[in-house]
Amino acid sequence: EAGVTQSPTHLIKTRGQQATLRCSPISGHTSVYWYQQALGLGLQFLLWYDEGEERNRGNFPPRFSGRQFPNYSSELNVNALELEDSALYLCASSSGYQPQHFGDGTRLSIL
Amino acid sequence: GQQVMQIPQYQHVQEGEDFTTYCNSSTTLSNIQWYKQRPGGHPVFLIQLVKSGEVKKQKRLTFQFGEAKKNSSLHITATQTTDVGTYFCARTGNQFYFGTGTSLTVIP
Repeated sequence: EAGVTQSPTHLIKTRGQQATLRCSPISGHTSVYWYQQALGLGLQFLLWYDEGEERNRGNFPPRFSGRQFPNYSSELNVNALELEDSALYLCASSSGYQPQHFGDGTRLSIL
Repeated sequence: GQQVMQIPQYQHVQEGEDFTTYCNSSTTLSNIQWYKQRPGGHPVFLIQLVKSGEVKKQKRLTFQFGEAKKNSSLHITATQTTDVGTYFCARTGNQFYFGTGTSLTVIP
C-alpha cells in the first residue's frame, strides 16, 4: 500500500512569493491534515479537509489556504511568503478519527 | 485552551535507563494518541488510548491514560539507541492538537 506522498520535497522561495504544496493521501483515506513544523519545534495544526470540505483550521493567517480535490488529494497554498514561513510542512491522512499517517513533508525555505 | 502540554521538553538518558514523558490537558480527552518522530523523519503512530485508566504495552513501551482522562504517560524501560526521537501525544477532535513533544537522546 502506498503511503502519503508529498511534493515537492524541497521548495525555495523568496519573500512575497507564493508557494503551492501537494499531498496525496493513502488510498481510501478521505481526511487530509496539514501541519507546520518549524525547526526544532512541535507540530502546529494548519488545516483539515474531509470529503472535499475544509473542516477546521488552526491559528494561521488567511494567506495560508488550501483545497481538497475529488480524488482526496490536497494542495496547501501560502501567499505573500514571509521569512518565518520557513518550515517543514507535513501532510497526514486518515479515515475519520483514526490514527494519522504522515508523509515525508515539504521543506519550504524562504530567502 | 485545547492544547496539550508535555514534559519534559528534553531528556538525555544513558542507554539502559528508563524514560517517561507526560502529557497533560486542562480538559477531558475523548482519546489520546502517541506518535514518535525520528530525527529527520515524520511522525509515526504508536498507539491510541480511549478508556479511563487504560494501560497498554508494546514491548518496552508502556502507555497509560489517566483515570480522569486528562493526562497520559509513555514509559520506556531500559532505553536503547533506537528509541532516540521526539515523542508526541495528540488529542483528536475538530482539530488535531499535538503536544509540545519530548525529545529523547540516548547516550550509548
